[in-house]
Amino acid sequence: GENVEQHPSTLSVQEGDSAVIKCTYSDSASNYFPWYKQELGKRPQLIIDIRSNVGEKKDQRIAVTLNKTAKHFSLHITETQPEDSAVYFCAALIMDSSYKLIFGSGTRLLVRP
Amino acid sequence: DTAVSQTPKYLVTQMGNDKSIKCEQNLGHDTMYWYKQDSKKFLKIMFSYNNKELIINETVPNRFSPKSPDKAHLNLHINSLELGDSAVYFCASSPSSYNSPLHFGNGTRLTVT
Repeated sequence: GENVEQHPSTLSVQEGDSAVIKCTYSDSASNYFPWYKQELGKRPQLIIDIRSNVGEKKDQRIAVTLNKTAKHFSLHITETQPEDSAVYFCAALIMDSSYKLIFGSGTRLLVRP
Repeated sequence: DTAVSQTPKYLVTQMGNDKSIKCEQNLGHDTMYWYKQDSKKFLKIMFSYNNKELIINETVPNRFSPKSPDKAHLNLHINSLELGDSAVYFCASSPSSYNSPLHFGNGTRLTVT
């Protein structure tokens, strides 16, 4: 069935280090993969997305890579800062009878000052 | 100037009651959604409407009834509330139902006692 798996569930890094979050998906037809950041008590907000016609996309300290053959994609945050601490969700657009965005289970990132 | 606004922000009610959550978007988007986020932070799609037409109806109890009077509004009515309905409910919108990012509202925290 439709599934997006996300790892790790929690991640603690020292300020300035890099953080990597990985996701796998089951639907080989998926072609859109957004990442959302949710701060405590707030709404999820889009931070970056990638479509299947590219393998990598970068926006300042954030980058996403996509391997369609292996059906996995990753979020990379470099030079982490305490304000990067939040829950991060990956998602994949699943296409069956309709299009729907299925979310991973989330990664709680803690950046230690 | 909130793009996706939902009310109320908090809702505390007793089991068996009926309640509604309202959502409005001023982004001119065609598609609107309801997502449920449980205590473990899982984000699960419930419903989606495209131009007032229901296009996604996940396995949600029929006590939950969405209604879209126009493409800028999507309301959620819940009958006979149960303890397990306690969660944060997020409304979201997107330009289309395909391949486009979601813009979330600030959420409605529902507590059923």
